[in-house]
Amino acid sequence: AQTVTQSQPEMSVQEAETVTLSCTYDTSENNYYLFWYKQPPSRQMILVIRQEAYKQQNATENRFSVNFQKAAKSFSLKISDSQLGDTAMYFCAFMKRNTGTASKLTFGTGTRLQVTL
Amino acid sequence: SQTIHQWPATLVQPVGSPLSLECTVEGTSNPNLYWYRQAAGRGLQLLFYSVGIGQISSEVPQNLSASRPQDRQFILSSKKLLLSDSGFYLCAWSRGYTYNEQFFGPGTRLTVL
Repeated sequence: AQTVTQSQPEMSVQEAETVTLSCTYDTSENNYYLFWYKQPPSRQMILVIRQEAYKQQNATENRFSVNFQKAAKSFSLKISDSQLGDTAMYFCAFMKRNTGTASKLTFGTGTRLQVTL
Repeated sequence: SQTIHQWPATLVQPVGSPLSLECTVEGTSNPNLYWYRQAAGRGLQLLFYSVGIGQISSEVPQNLSASRPQDRQFILSSKKLLLSDSGFYLCAWSRGYTYNEQFFGPGTRLTVL
């Protein structure tokens, strides 16, 4: 079974600054995906960024980037130039790579990020 | 484009009453469907998933059940609600390919009193 750990229940960052959210995971799988989801106050789950474990290059989506350390089983999210709209709960999630059947997401407990003026 | 709907958005039910939450997906066929529960201050826990009509897999023992009567319809039910069933319920769908990114619905907030 997989586990995902987010050790920072809450974080705060000033607008325009950079913040890094931590995530570690435990698995015996070699082929998998990792995700960061954002859940704003509306509670809609929004995919922020994904990383395929077989890719060494860290994923980047505009102001969002990850630091994927496969050997250390670490997957942190960096948000650059933080904006007020980034205020949300952020969840790290793990998905085992499959061959066409349903895949299951295993979530961490989340980090609540507050962006302040 | 694909969209996913959930209703109701909010529900307050007494203990012991039945439950029916509905999820429908538009714009795709034969999706994989999922039900998650998010308890207050916690992450999402997968409850059920389905790869086809009438095919339901349960992840955790509980007071709830799921059904998939149509290709793009997924229903979460209970015969008698417990206080511990309170939470935020999210439905999600994914394509049946190797890479199964999941897309989430807007959720239903259930309060059991």
